[in-house]
Amino acid sequence: QVQLVQSGGEVKTPGSSVKVSCRTSGGTFGKYVIHWVRQAPGQGLEWLGGIIGFADTAYYAENFRGRVTITTDESLTTAFMELSSLRSDDTAVYFCARDAVAEYFYYMDIWGKGTTVVVSS
Amino acid sequence: AIQLTQSPASLSASVGDRVNITCRPSQDIGSDLAWYQQKSGEPPKLLIYDASSLYSGVPSRFSGSGSGTDFTLTITSLQPEDFATYFCQQFEGRTTFGGGTKVE
Repeated sequence: QVQLVQSGGEVKTPGSSVKVSCRTSGGTFGKYVIHWVRQAPGQGLEWLGGIIGFADTAYYAENFRGRVTITTDESLTTAFMELSSLRSDDTAVYFCARDAVAEYFYYMDIWGKGTTVVVSS
Repeated sequence: AIQLTQSPASLSASVGDRVNITCRPSQDIGSDLAWYQQKSGEPPKLLIYDASSLYSGVPSRFSGSGSGTDFTLTITSLQPEDFATYFCQQFEGRTTFGGGTKVE
């Protein structure tokens, strides 16, 4: 049974960066896209970007281009999302999710439990 | 980016009711739409993909319909465990989500 295990919560100051990890256990890592989606308190879902496990190329939402970097470490079966120049409105729960279809950016059937990132001075 | 307009933003319903939630993309997306259910403090769960295909393990009271620029999620007989927030997602272009519909 495939599970996505995310790193623990973080508290950051404005202007700093945060790096969240997402490890795939119990399944194939390389062929599937790992998406990153965030949810601010009481708000909807917002896609940040995604990457295929074995690939070097990530795709990002326009709103986050230049501020988010998504990478993978195939040996660790882990994906990472780094968000820089943090602002208070980046306070959110950050989810990783695996695409249901190998090698495509489609829909997400397996989700991590989320990592809470709080940005506060 | 493709915008998704979900309506209503919230609705009040009772157990046994039929519930319809609408999602309208800003441009034609064919059938590249999914629906998710989210309960407080949990990640979303996939319900419907490709506009009308029921994901494995999802009860048959959930169904999806539509194509192009007009989609609907229907719950035929609302159960107590269905009180939650529902989101649509398009994947024709770079993924975007609708604003959500809270069923209460």
